[in-house]
Amino acid sequence: EAGVAQSPRYKIIEKRQSVAFWCNPISGHATLYWYQQILGQGPKLLIQFQNNGVVDDSQLPKDRFSAERLKGVDSTLKIQPAKLEDSAVYLCASSSLAGSGNTIYFGEGSWLTVV
Amino acid sequence: SQQGEEDPQALSIQEGENATMNCSYKTSINNLQWYRQNSGRGLVHLILIRSNEREKHSGRLRVTLDTSKKSSSLLITASRAADTASYFCAYSNQAGTALIFGKGTTLSVSS
Repeated sequence: EAGVAQSPRYKIIEKRQSVAFWCNPISGHATLYWYQQILGQGPKLLIQFQNNGVVDDSQLPKDRFSAERLKGVDSTLKIQPAKLEDSAVYLCASSSLAGSGNTIYFGEGSWLTVV
Repeated sequence: SQQGEEDPQALSIQEGENATMNCSYKTSINNLQWYRQNSGRGLVHLILIRSNEREKHSGRLRVTLDTSKKSSSLLITASRAADTASYFCAYSNQAGTALIFGKGTTLSVSS
């Protein structure tokens, strides 16, 4: 079974530029998550999708971050314009059912450095 | 913040020793999970313990849960160099919501 795929793995951009990350979850997984992990900290949820609908985006900085999952499969996370504090690993994860009680499978992450 | 807290932040032991990590959380939970993260990699699920369970084993892992103290512990027995990683506890406070992660414990096992 293929895991959660993410790209690009690494990205360096200047502040105020834009960047987009792509995620392909495990086949058949209805729930998709984007987490932000700053170095030395635990992952923080940015947004949770159930199929193509948003379940929770309360911690997504909507003035600069956007995410979509148009067909309920792949997802894209965009940052525009980027700030220095956005330097982090962006982890995509998926599960067969929403949240609690279900194992969440993580991708390898997309490492963003904003200079 | 509802974020959990792991203790200690960092732990260094020798191969063959046991490693114990603790996690405290702030809300009622449905279950609590532990994940491992090797340097530069994604998170890997280790074990899940439900709120009505007190102890669970999986191989060299032993997890305990004390809901009255809102705390959990992860014990790795007979540690190996390959156990070197960061360990995170994670929980959700109600069904269907995403996991809330703690800040992690960095374990270093030297041979």
